[in-house]
Amino acid sequence: DAKTTQPNSMESNEEEPVHLPCNHSTISGTDYIHWYRQLPSQGPEYVIHGLTSNVNNRMASLAIAEDRKSSTLILHRATLRDAAVYYCILGPGGSQGNLIFGKGTKLSVKP
Amino acid sequence: DAGVIQSPRHEVTEMGQEVTLRCKPISGHNSLFWYRQTMMRGLELLIYFNNNVPIDDSGMPEDRFSAKMPNASFSTLKIQPSEPRDSAVYFCASSVRDSNQPQHFGDGTRLSIL
Repeated sequence: DAKTTQPNSMESNEEEPVHLPCNHSTISGTDYIHWYRQLPSQGPEYVIHGLTSNVNNRMASLAIAEDRKSSTLILHRATLRDAAVYYCILGPGGSQGNLIFGKGTKLSVKP
Repeated sequence: DAGVIQSPRHEVTEMGQEVTLRCKPISGHNSLFWYRQTMMRGLELLIYFNNNVPIDDSGMPEDRFSAKMPNASFSTLKIQPSEPRDSAVYFCASSVRDSNQPQHFGDGTRLSIL
């Protein structure tokens, strides 16, 4: 299975943008890039996913490198509620079955 | 809309006892996943079902673990007999198969085996 590499932790200030990086140099042509996050004492929550083009939704933006070997999750204006562990996962697009979660990046947001 | 519902939220029991965890997926979802999360191993997929049929149970740790999905609205994960190393948070998730839709997770069951 293709692996992803993320920093263990990052800090941000409230109301500032956050850029969470993910390296996936062994990504295959059919792998989608999925981002989930897990708030304390909750189950993981879907954030965004994409294949080749950059993607935007109400929660975040996903910037995918042209060679697809890396991507960046962008939170445009961090809030205290965004403090969570963020997981970057490679997997199939349809049904998103069998997602393999790594250790993720623990994001802390300072007021 | 109701999300994925798991019960119980917390379970504390003595080793050797049978433990049954329950999950009600989101109505209309036809894929169901069971995960286990520990500090040491992170979030691991145990088993998943498509249309009530187990597709991949390679993550089930051993024969003490079993999972069933008797119908589209209910699944159980059973541990018999339970051991202290089974202590973890167990999550259930559901999705719509082949739809490019994300998995929706429940709030988990925190299991402690004494």
